[in-house]
Amino acid sequence: KQEVTQIPAALSVPEGENLVLNCSFTDSAIYNLQWFRQDPGKGLTSLLLIQSSQREQTSGRLNASLDKSSGRSTLYIAASQPGDSATYLCAVRTSGTYKYIFGTGTRLKVLA
Amino acid sequence: DAGVIQSPRHEVTEMGQEVTLRCKPISGHDYLFWYRQTMMRGLELLIYFNNNVPIDDSGMPEDRFSAKMPNASFSTLKIQPSEPRDSAVYFCASSFDAGEQFFGPGTRLTVL
Repeated sequence: KQEVTQIPAALSVPEGENLVLNCSFTDSAIYNLQWFRQDPGKGLTSLLLIQSSQREQTSGRLNASLDKSSGRSTLYIAASQPGDSATYLCAVRTSGTYKYIFGTGTRLKVLA
Repeated sequence: DAGVIQSPRHEVTEMGQEVTLRCKPISGHDYLFWYRQTMMRGLELLIYFNNNVPIDDSGMPEDRFSAKMPNASFSTLKIQPSEPRDSAVYFCASSFDAGEQFFGPGTRLTVL
């Protein structure tokens, strides 16, 4: 059974810092992995989708990497801004299923 | 495209009442997912459809929960009778070929 873990649960950094959010999964036979952002009281916004055949994906200041063998993905945020403050969730789709299993998220606060 | 549309955005009801949540997926998407989010359990998949057919309802907590998708542009999640422990935010998401998921704004349900 796939389990997805995100550590730390919360993170507070000063504006301008580069930071890394972690996502770990127990079953390396994944189809893809998706990173989301959730603002308080809002829905989830898709940030990046990374296929199992890819090592990384980039969008603006965001870069997601995937290492299936170690069961890890990282989301790198460059030059963080207060507007990046939100909860970041990763979701894993295991091969052979159409279900996504979500991590519990990392709550990020970027201080001005 | 307007994105995934959910209604109502907020619902307050009394224990024992029937609750119906509605979702309109993005046009052209063939997968529709219903999720529930709580502080204790995070984001849980309840059921998903492919081409209007329910594929996996193993996440539906009890027989009090039911979901339908009568056509490609509409789905409902019904709780009858509702209980206080059903209070949560319910999200609908859609995708094409079970790829990148796009979430609606959610329905915040409070059962008194």
